[in-house]
Amino acid sequence: AQKVTQAQTEISVVEKEDVTLDCVYETRDTTYYLFWYKQPPSGELVFLIRRNSFDEQNEISGRYSWNFQKSTSSFNFTITASQVVDSAVYFCALSGDPGTASKLTFGTGTRLQVTL
Amino acid sequence: DSGVTQTPKHLITATGQRVTLRCSPRSGDLSVYWYQQSLDQGLQFLIQYYNGEERAKGNILERFSAQQFPDLHSELNLSSLELGDSALYFCASSVESGPRSGDTQYFGPGTRLTVL
Repeated sequence: AQKVTQAQTEISVVEKEDVTLDCVYETRDTTYYLFWYKQPPSGELVFLIRRNSFDEQNEISGRYSWNFQKSTSSFNFTITASQVVDSAVYFCALSGDPGTASKLTFGTGTRLQVTL
Repeated sequence: DSGVTQTPKHLITATGQRVTLRCSPRSGDLSVYWYQQSLDQGLQFLIQYYNGEERAKGNILERFSAQQFPDLHSELNLSSLELGDSALYFCASSVESGPRSGDTQYFGPGTRLTVL
């Protein structure tokens, strides 16, 4: 069975600080996909990034960057120069379990609070 | 805006009642997924439909059922409601370009169900 662990329940930072959200996953599959979603206070789930298991290149998108390391089964997310608008719950998710097609297995989420 | 629509936004009902949640996927997406988000269980996959047929099932209770119609919209039916069914129910859609393609799932705004 697949599992996603987000050990950080809540993180508080001051605006302009850099922050890294950790994600560790477990899967027996060799082909799998990793995702990050953002859930702002309004409640919707916003897609941020998708990464497949064969692509270990790090990705940068503006202030966001992702570090995928198969050797440690981790897919960490860094926000550089955080802003108040980054305050949200962030979920890491995994798909690829052959038993249940494309279903997403979510971590428990990390609540990020950015203050002035 | 993800392009996935869900109605209603909020639903308040009593124990023992039956409700129907509706979802319209993004244009061109054939696959629809239902997820439940609750405080104690987190985000959990319920069921997936692909082009009208059930493709995968998660931890969906027998009191819950779903279907996808020829126009690809989907409905989630919850019956004999209990207090513990109070949750945020999300619908997501994806292209599902192939089996286990790991295509990105785009989420609707959710329906918040309160059972009193």
